[in-house]
Amino acid sequence: QVQLVESGGGLVKPGGSLRLSCAASGFTFSDYYMSWIRQAPGKGLEWVSYISSSSSYTNYADSVKGRFTISRDNAKNSLYLQMNSLRAEDTAVYYCARKLTYDAFDIWGQGTMVTVSS
Amino acid sequence: DIQMTQSPSSVSASVGDRVTITCRASQGISSWLAWYQQKPGKAPKLLIYAASSLQSGVPSRFSGSGSGTDFTLTISSLQPEDFATYYCQQANSFTFGPGTKVDIK
Repeated sequence: QVQLVESGGGLVKPGGSLRLSCAASGFTFSDYYMSWIRQAPGKGLEWVSYISSSSSYTNYADSVKGRFTISRDNAKNSLYLQMNSLRAEDTAVYYCARKLTYDAFDIWGQGTMVTVSS
Repeated sequence: DIQMTQSPSSVSASVGDRVTITCRASQGISSWLAWYQQKPGKAPKLLIYAASSLQSGVPSRFSGSGSGTDFTLTISSLQPEDFATYYCQQANSFTFGPGTKVDIK
């Protein structure tokens, strides 16, 4: 079935780095834009970044611009988020999600928790 | 940047009630709006896209309407599995609203 599975979360010190991965299955990954969306504990949803199907276009929220890099490997059906210079306010559950043409997100992973703390 | 607001922030309702949630954009977004349902500890689930299109597999008791700056999500007859938090999301910069929690009266 159509599925997204994130991995790579964990505890990291402020200023540290982490790389999240998202494995896609059950659909033609290379046909879709993909995105990362996060949710701080007890808070709402915040879009983080998206990448086009061929990696030609990327976009980032101002809160992560210059620190996070989104990428994908269509041969491996995988999406990535490289997070550098992490801050306490980056602590959140990070979801990968498939983006529809209508700019809604129809398939979500289960999320991976990132905690930034000393 | 376009800001999204939702009202109410929470609503207490009973099974069978009609529930309406409002989402307002700080500037016009045409029909580029989606609605999601999220239960505790779970990923959000897409309910409505393009303001009024029902996502496949979503029960018909959910409906969306509106365009421009004002949008509504209506649950025609609340079911036990509908108690959750609902978020709107605009497509311009993917901004989400703050959420509306629907709980049991």
